[in-house]
Amino acid sequence: GENVEQHPSTLSVQEGDSAVIKCTYSDSASNYFPWYKQELGKRPQLIIDIRSNVGEKKDQRIAVTLNKTAKHFSLHITETQPEDSAVYFCAAGFMNYGGSQGNLIFGKGTKLSVKP
Amino acid sequence: GAVVSQHPSWVICKSGTSVKIECRSLDFQATTMFWYRQFPKQSLMLMATSNEGSKATYEQGVEKDKFLINHASLTLSTLTVTSAHPEDSSFYICSARPDRGRGYEQYFGPGTRLTVT
Repeated sequence: GENVEQHPSTLSVQEGDSAVIKCTYSDSASNYFPWYKQELGKRPQLIIDIRSNVGEKKDQRIAVTLNKTAKHFSLHITETQPEDSAVYFCAAGFMNYGGSQGNLIFGKGTKLSVKP
Repeated sequence: GAVVSQHPSWVICKSGTSVKIECRSLDFQATTMFWYRQFPKQSLMLMATSNEGSKATYEQGVEKDKFLINHASLTLSTLTVTSAHPEDSSFYICSARPDRGRGYEQYFGPGTRLTVT
């Protein structure tokens, strides 16, 4: 089955700096890689995702890159703000288009702290 | 859109009793829903995949007779923790994958905090 490793477990940056979180996966069949942000006591929120047919995706200050050959993907947050402080989870899984499959395996999470 | 609710948000029960948790997709239909368990400061552990009209698929190590899943409609899945024990105390979160658009996204419910005394 799929196994997802996430690093680092904690990350502290100064406001305005960039933050990078890295994940590796084991199952080459995985084709969907979402990132979730979970604030304390709240539900995980999807912030960005990428499919295996794309190498990079960007949404304002957030970007995700995927290297299928090396089986790793990364989350990049630029110009960090205190409200970016949260736990970030990467996940990987195989999705069949229009079908019922699609379970995700999550990394262990990265606690990001942005200091003002 | 894509709102998922859970009920109850928290529950305290005595050891040996059963507890039912509901997961509803409020503004979309979801043939597939997922149940996760999350321990404090830890990751989301997938317990099972729930498919409407068929049996749930459980992950390795998850007891299907203890964690009963019923996905009776396209907007509702339930998780029943049977004969609960203190070690079952945890945060249980569901997610749902919208049928519309045939996308890959999953949307999470707010979670249910279960405490077994």
